[in-house]
Amino acid sequence: DAGITQSPRHKVTETGTPVTLRCHQTENHRYMYWYRQDPGHGLRLIHYSYGVKDTDKGEVSDGYSVSRSKTEDFLLTLESATSSQTSVYFCAIRTDSGGAQWTQYFGPGTRLLVL
Amino acid sequence: GESVGLHLPTLSVQEGDNSIINCAYSNSASDYFIWYKQESGKGPQFIIDIRSNMDKRQGQRVTVLLNKTVKHLSLQIAATQPGDSAVYFCAENASNTGKLIFGQGTTLQVKP
Repeated sequence: DAGITQSPRHKVTETGTPVTLRCHQTENHRYMYWYRQDPGHGLRLIHYSYGVKDTDKGEVSDGYSVSRSKTEDFLLTLESATSSQTSVYFCAIRTDSGGAQWTQYFGPGTRLLVL
Repeated sequence: GESVGLHLPTLSVQEGDNSIINCAYSNSASDYFIWYKQESGKGPQFIIDIRSNMDKRQGQRVTVLLNKTVKHLSLQIAATQPGDSAVYFCAENASNTGKLIFGQGTTLQVKP
């Protein structure tokens, strides 16, 4: 599991409420990613981080923000949750610090339901 | 734009047979490809990867083939077992940031 944990694993919330998902890693990897997975789609990148306080947008970043105040934690925030954000969210890490040889491992996921 | 697609949404094979899962990609600049296996309720699990300077790579019971001429990737699973039943995704990368582009996935069903 590459030392990745996600919390919570399941969450039900109401439209308009803020939600924060946490990804925690124990192996000091520089790169971390947030993806969402919906039926009929593969995983799609939301945001990623290439270091503490260094983040950038992915393919589907609208409605999401992220923060990385320390190496081990990467937070994904839905400022005002909408039903279209009902999804399964996966965190991933990259197993290097920018060299040519790397790969990507995923956490167990957080299942979010927005009512 | 970039896209990664799979030719078949579901593949059904007999236990013990070999399985071949295909993937087409459109970005000729992609230089790194990964196959993941995802079981129900779990995160994607790394199976095998290949870089664009290779045509073939073998792992334990799995082989990935890369044909850059036609932008095609395949995953071969030898002697398929019931535990191989899952959804398989290919993913491509065309930058050094690790921003993977995923296909929609192929469901592999193994019949006993």
